[in-house]
Amino acid sequence: DIVMTQSPLSLPVTPGEPASMSCRSSQSLLHSNGDNYFHWYLQKPGQSPQLLIYLGSNRASGVPDRFSGSGSGTDFTLKLSRVEAEDVGVYYCMQNLQTPNTFGQGTKLEIK
Amino acid sequence: QVQLVQSGAEVKKPGASVKISCKASGYTFTNYYLNWVRQAPGQSLEWMGWVNAANGDTGYSLKFQGRVTFNRDTSASTAFMELSRLTSGDTAVYYCARLNAEIRRYDLDYWGQGTLVTVSS
Repeated sequence: DIVMTQSPLSLPVTPGEPASMSCRSSQSLLHSNGDNYFHWYLQKPGQSPQLLIYLGSNRASGVPDRFSGSGSGTDFTLKLSRVEAEDVGVYYCMQNLQTPNTFGQGTKLEIK
Repeated sequence: QVQLVQSGAEVKKPGASVKISCKASGYTFTNYYLNWVRQAPGQSLEWMGWVNAANGDTGYSLKFQGRVTFNRDTSASTAFMELSRLTSGDTAVYYCARLNAEIRRYDLDYWGQGTLVTVSS
């Protein structure tokens, strides 16, 4: 199985400041079609996960442009240009290049 | 708007089975696959498998194969997940999620609200 490793596990951030988190996969997620089968999700407290970024760098519909995803192969980054109070929750990375699809253990973003 | 509405919470005894439904609306049900994902208390997300809503084909994580069954009722735009031989380790919130496999997409774009399954004697 492909192992997804996220860091840091906890991320305290001051509102208005930037934030960055990483996800590393144990195998390349680059498909032969040129896309990375890698996605970012945010699970706000008490809610279902919601899609933020698909195929490594594409913002999902309705996601603010302060969120950006980058990376390829085995190393990926999610950046928030300015953290807002509504961004708190657990951020998960996911790969679906291979089955079983797998998720990272999550990065918990909290407001200082 | 796309919605996935799941059935309510369940409490089961060890060894029993549970069947959860996921009713889709706001899109053509048979045009998409549905995935099932679970989350144990305080844990990360765990992928269980998928069902092709068009023809009923399924794919299961090896961890659950032999114990889980996915199917669907196209007339009701509803998918089902049944898990048998429950143990306390199956206590979790179970989610259905739509797989968007359109051009330049391959992500779980809409999720149900989750169904809590508690396994306790």
